[in-house]
Amino acid sequence: AQSVTQPDIHITVSEGASLELRCNYSYGATPYLFWYVQSPGQGLQLLLKYFSGDTLVQGIKGFEAEFKRSQSSFNLRKPSVHWSDAAEYFCAVGVKNRDDKIIFGKGTRLHILP
Amino acid sequence: DVKVTQSSRYLVKRTGEKVFLECVQDMDHENMFWYRQDPGLGLRLIYFSYDVKMKEKGDIPEGYSVSREKKERFSLILESASTNQTSMYLCASSRSGRIHTQYFGPGTRLTVL
Repeated sequence: AQSVTQPDIHITVSEGASLELRCNYSYGATPYLFWYVQSPGQGLQLLLKYFSGDTLVQGIKGFEAEFKRSQSSFNLRKPSVHWSDAAEYFCAVGVKNRDDKIIFGKGTRLHILP
Repeated sequence: DVKVTQSSRYLVKRTGEKVFLECVQDMDHENMFWYRQDPGLGLRLIYFSYDVKMKEKGDIPEGYSVSREKKERFSLILESASTNQTSMYLCASSRSGRIHTQYFGPGTRLTVL
């Protein structure tokens, strides 16, 4: 069965430091991959997505992610975090069968130290 | 811009009450989804719909039902609310035909006393 794993439940980084959030998926074919962000008390907002083509994807708010088929990974990166990046981040994989469903990871909560 | 709205941001109900959560999208999307979000469990799919009057069970449909009488509106119904249904409920919509981005509403924080 398809699955998404985010190994880190919480991550703390200092403001201005670089960030990498990990995501691994289990899926037999080329996946559709997403990263969403959820600020406290809000819904989810799409950061970026990968469907095909260039494996390095640029998103909003200065985020990028790289699809690595050999590692079944889609890690999210940002070179320098800002205090406003404190939020919960969800990786998700689209399942290509008759349904248009997306399977979400359990999320990584990012804390920023001043 | 896609806009998905949910009828309430916060809701407090008593055990046994019938609860309606409403979701409306303004982008003519065919697909609509209801999730619940709990700490440590991420998002879990309750029900989804591909078209008017169509509904499919998700991963945790027990205790819930849905209604989609109009394309833009998808309602989640708790027939008899229980305390274990206290949660954040998120609605989403997307185009159909292949995997498309899901757009989310702001969520409804439901507390059942």
